[in-house]
Amino acid sequence: GNSVTQMEGPVTLSEEAFLTINCTYTATGYPSLFWYVQYPGEGLQLLLKATKADDKGSNKGFEATYRKETTSFHLEKGSVQVSDSAVYFCALHSGNTGKLIFGQGTTLQVKP
Amino acid sequence: DVKVTQSSRYLVKRTGEKVFLECVQDMDHENMFWYRQDPGLGLRLIYFSYDVKMKEKGDIPEGYSVSREKKERFSLILESASTNQTSMYLCASSPRGVPTDTQYFGPGTRLTVL
Repeated sequence: GNSVTQMEGPVTLSEEAFLTINCTYTATGYPSLFWYVQYPGEGLQLLLKATKADDKGSNKGFEATYRKETTSFHLEKGSVQVSDSAVYFCALHSGNTGKLIFGQGTTLQVKP
Repeated sequence: DVKVTQSSRYLVKRTGEKVFLECVQDMDHENMFWYRQDPGLGLRLIYFSYDVKMKEKGDIPEGYSVSREKKERFSLILESASTNQTSMYLCASSPRGVPTDTQYFGPGTRLTVL
């Protein structure tokens, strides 16, 4: 079945460091891929998405490219801020029911 | 802006109690979802609904039921709460028909069963 695997956390970085959070997926066909972010005490919100191979999603300085050949959708940011501290979830869309399959989440802590 | 609200942010119940978690969305979305979030496991889908009075089991429906009598409201019911149902519960909604559409999440209810 479809699944999403994220790198283990927590990830601790200093402010202005480069961020990569790895995400790989297993799916039939060509699912849409998402990154959601959960700030402390809040629900999830969409960070970015990509709907087909080689698409790049971007938002708030974050980027991720849909790589069909490596079945990956790694999240990157060139210079993280303390305010980026949150839990990040990679997800894929499954079928035509609107269901999402989530990875286990990666906690990012950015220190000043 | 889409708004998804959940009836409680924190809830403490005792084993065996019947528990109702309510979710309301204000954007006329057809699809609604209930997830539970546990450390190291991510979000797991409990139930979802794509129309009034319609419901579908997700990946972990055991011990839960749902009700959708009105389009904007989706309730999660724990018939007899158990300690292994202590978790964060997240509700979400999305419009029907466009597979790439975003799901909009509520703030979550942290349920503790003693």
